[in-house]
Amino acid sequence: KAGVTQTPRYLIKTRGQQVTLSCSPISGHRSVSWYQQTPGQGLQFLFEYFSETQRNKGNFPGRFSGRQFSNSRSEMNVSTLELGDSALYLCASSLDNIGVEQFFGPGTRLTVL
Amino acid sequence: TQLLEQSPQFLSIQEGENLTVYCNSSSVFSSLQWYRQEPGEGPVLLVTVVTGGEVKKLKRLTFQFGDARKDSSLHITAAQPGDTGLYLCAGVSMGSNYKLTFGKGTLLTVNP
Repeated sequence: KAGVTQTPRYLIKTRGQQVTLSCSPISGHRSVSWYQQTPGQGLQFLFEYFSETQRNKGNFPGRFSGRQFSNSRSEMNVSTLELGDSALYLCASSLDNIGVEQFFGPGTRLTVL
Repeated sequence: TQLLEQSPQFLSIQEGENLTVYCNSSSVFSSLQWYRQEPGEGPVLLVTVVTGGEVKKLKRLTFQFGDARKDSSLHITAAQPGDTGLYLCAGVSMGSNYKLTFGKGTLLTVNP
């Protein structure tokens, strides 16, 4: 069974631009979560989607948004990029909720110049 | 805001040594997970502990969940270079299965 895939793996943007990251969960998994990982703050929860509905959201500004499609694939969008948005963005999928085993993708490394 | 404090932040040891990593919080969690992350990859789940006082063993790794479900520890016996990585603990909030709170991790280096 294929693992969680994220595209692109690396991305370089400039301040003020927007970016869309994509995540394909493991087949059959309906829950997709997004995290931001930085050296200073560690892994921080962005949001979680289940059956196309956002079930929970972390403490990030409205510039960070996401959605989930009917096939469980998910995208996250960051608008008006800031230097501090440079980070590794990780996607994780699970069968139904975070309390059970989550499987992480390799992440998208975003650099904002 | 629920916080998980991990200690130590960095640990460098020689092959064959034993070590313990700690994960502490003032909050109660319904369960706690331990992950290992290697460079360029996402975290991989090692274990989930659910019951206060629970001890789980995974080969040379021993995980313990505190009686009050606020803290946990990971003990590695006879560390090997392959154990090198970032060890992360993550708590599942009480009353919600939709949110994980991660500690900042312990970066372990095992030298041959």
